[in-house]
Amino acid sequence: KAGVTQTPRYLIKTRGQQVTLSCSPISGHRSVSWYQQTPGQGLQFLFEYFSETQRNKGNFPGRFSGRQFSNSRSEMNVSTLELGDSALYLCASSLSTRTAAFFGQGTRLTVV
Amino acid sequence: QQQVKQSPQSLIVQKGGISIINCAYENTAFDYFPWYQQFPGKGPALLIAIRPDVSEKKEGRFTISFNKSAKQFSLHIMDSQPGDSATYFCAASSMSSGSARQLTFGSGTQLTVLP
Repeated sequence: KAGVTQTPRYLIKTRGQQVTLSCSPISGHRSVSWYQQTPGQGLQFLFEYFSETQRNKGNFPGRFSGRQFSNSRSEMNVSTLELGDSALYLCASSLSTRTAAFFGQGTRLTVV
Repeated sequence: QQQVKQSPQSLIVQKGGISIINCAYENTAFDYFPWYQQFPGKGPALLIAIRPDVSEKKEGRFTISFNKSAKQFSLHIMDSQPGDSATYFCAASSMSSGSARQLTFGSGTQLTVLP
């Protein structure tokens, strides 16, 4: 069974631009959550989607948004990029909201 | 109250030794405690997880010990191998409150196993 697939793997964007990251969960998994990983703040929860509905949201500004499609694929968007948004963005999928989360390899975003 | 405190920040052990990583939490609503292993350039991989209704869970060389009254849990890696060298994260979430996937992570432990 294929794992969680995140695209692209690497991105370089300019401050002020916006970016969209994509996540394809493990086949059959309906829950997708997103995390930001930085050396200073560690792993921080962004949001979770289940059946196309946002279930929970972490403490991030409104510039960070996401959505989930009917096939469970998810996208997250960051608008008006800031230098501090440079991070590894990780997507995790779960069969349901009560089962283990499996992470993808992440998208490394660099804002210059 | 959402914080999970992890120690030590780094750990060096000899091959064949026991690696022990500790975590403490404050939020009594947490009822799911997974451990993740992360290699450079990779996403975290689920190692083992425990619910508070058991005090210990073992899978191969990996054991979680859980102390509900002290709000602490730890990962023991028996017979540590150089291939275990990675960063380990403890995490916690609340399944009962509907926030199962809102994992709160510890700050990570960089484990180095010397050959």
